[in-house]
Amino acid sequence: ETGVTQTPRHLVMGMTNKKSLKCEQHLGHNAMYWYKQSAKKPLELMFVYSLEERVENNSVPSRFSPECPNSSHLFLHLHTLQPEDSALYLCASSQGSGFLKAFFGQGTRLTVV
Amino acid sequence: DQQVKQNSPSLSVQEGRISILNCDYTNSMFDYFLWYKKYPAEGPTFLISISSIKDKNEDGRFTVFLNKSAKHLSLHIVPSQPGDSAVYFCAASRLEYGNKLVFGAGTILRVKS
Repeated sequence: ETGVTQTPRHLVMGMTNKKSLKCEQHLGHNAMYWYKQSAKKPLELMFVYSLEERVENNSVPSRFSPECPNSSHLFLHLHTLQPEDSALYLCASSQGSGFLKAFFGQGTRLTVV
Repeated sequence: DQQVKQNSPSLSVQEGRISILNCDYTNSMFDYFLWYKKYPAEGPTFLISISSIKDKNEDGRFTVFLNKSAKHLSLHIVPSQPGDSAVYFCAASRLEYGNKLVFGAGTILRVKS
């Protein structure tokens, strides 16, 4: 139990669907992150929220839309995705401006058909 | 352009022997380095880190070595145990960019009993 919970664990969606990934952290951290892990590629940082404010958006397509309603919850809204968006999406949290010791959730395995 | 490279996709080691996982980086501005471990169906978990002011950091069976001139770090696991079988990710950061970790693609370690 890492204190970071992601739901759902697996998601299959069509290219015209709209779905959301949810992340919840119980660690009292004030920064949360979305990462994408594609097969045999490094983890790619997508978004960073610090104190509920988005501080980083790494050129992610607009079909991915993050939302951070409070410091414990982070969402990733998905719409009109492409098959190449199929990947493992990982949420992480950390305390303070130092990312250095981030705690990751188990990830959502997304398949776009 | 990958700034953090793990050139060995996989490594197989006999139980009780030493495992050496390697990582190279290109950005000389990086000043903090981390290793994460990931089991299947779980998120990455922090393992050990090292600041650029050091060349070695040890935690139990795990030791990380940093060679700044070569822009190279390595993780040594001694003795290796079957439970160490996992994917190991190297990551690098610049402390003033605290929220931004750059990951390598990972190395799969298999420890045979």
